[in-house]
Amino acid sequence: SYVLTQPPSVSVAPGKTAWITCGGRNIGSKTVHWFQKKPGQAPVLVIFYDTDRPSGIPERFSGSNSGNTATLTISRVEAGDEADYYCQVWDSDSDHPVFGGGTKLTVL
Amino acid sequence: EVQLVESGGGLVQPGGSLKVSCGASGFTFSGFGIHWVRQASGKGLEWVGRIRSKTNNYATAYAASMKGRFTISRDDSKNTAYLQMNSLKIEDTAVYYCSRHNGYSTSPFDFWGQGTLVAVSA
Repeated sequence: SYVLTQPPSVSVAPGKTAWITCGGRNIGSKTVHWFQKKPGQAPVLVIFYDTDRPSGIPERFSGSNSGNTATLTISRVEAGDEADYYCQVWDSDSDHPVFGGGTKLTVL
Repeated sequence: EVQLVESGGGLVQPGGSLKVSCGASGFTFSGFGIHWVRQASGKGLEWVGRIRSKTNNYATAYAASMKGRFTISRDDSKNTAYLQMNSLKIEDTAVYYCSRHNGYSTSPFDFWGQGTLVAVSA
């Protein structure tokens, strides 16, 4: 089945930019969604269709997808952005969704 | 306001069964598929399975490790989906979330419930 690879952790100072990658074979040909997951809370969709932001999600969150890597970019990082982030695509071979392993974003 | 509320979680012994529910409000439940996703403590999100809408014949599908043990159903008259879990294993211990999906594979899971904890232990 299709595999998505994320770095286990990313650390960033407040006010700086964080890049969270999601690697997959020719992932640029797929549609990628990103979720923010905080302890004890439901996952929240932060980027969909590679680059779109749901209403209520700050413009500081953006996405890109090309080749073998999709990227979630969080600009001007705030303490409240500290969370786990998961990428997700649909695996057409198995006809079900696949999640990356998740990346823990730590705000220093 | 779209809401999904899971319930029915609890402590169950290995080999036991449990049925959890996902109650929906704020949208036309019958028009959406429902997916179940779980998260074990300290682990990532894992897809469990899904049930499609009536338009898509209520088709179900499951992750390989749950196939044959888990069954997803729905009652559109009650705006509720269910996850029946049998032959539970310790490794099934997790928070179980439900999410709605419009049935198009590229579409996102735009709303999720808060989850219900299932603990499998002797």
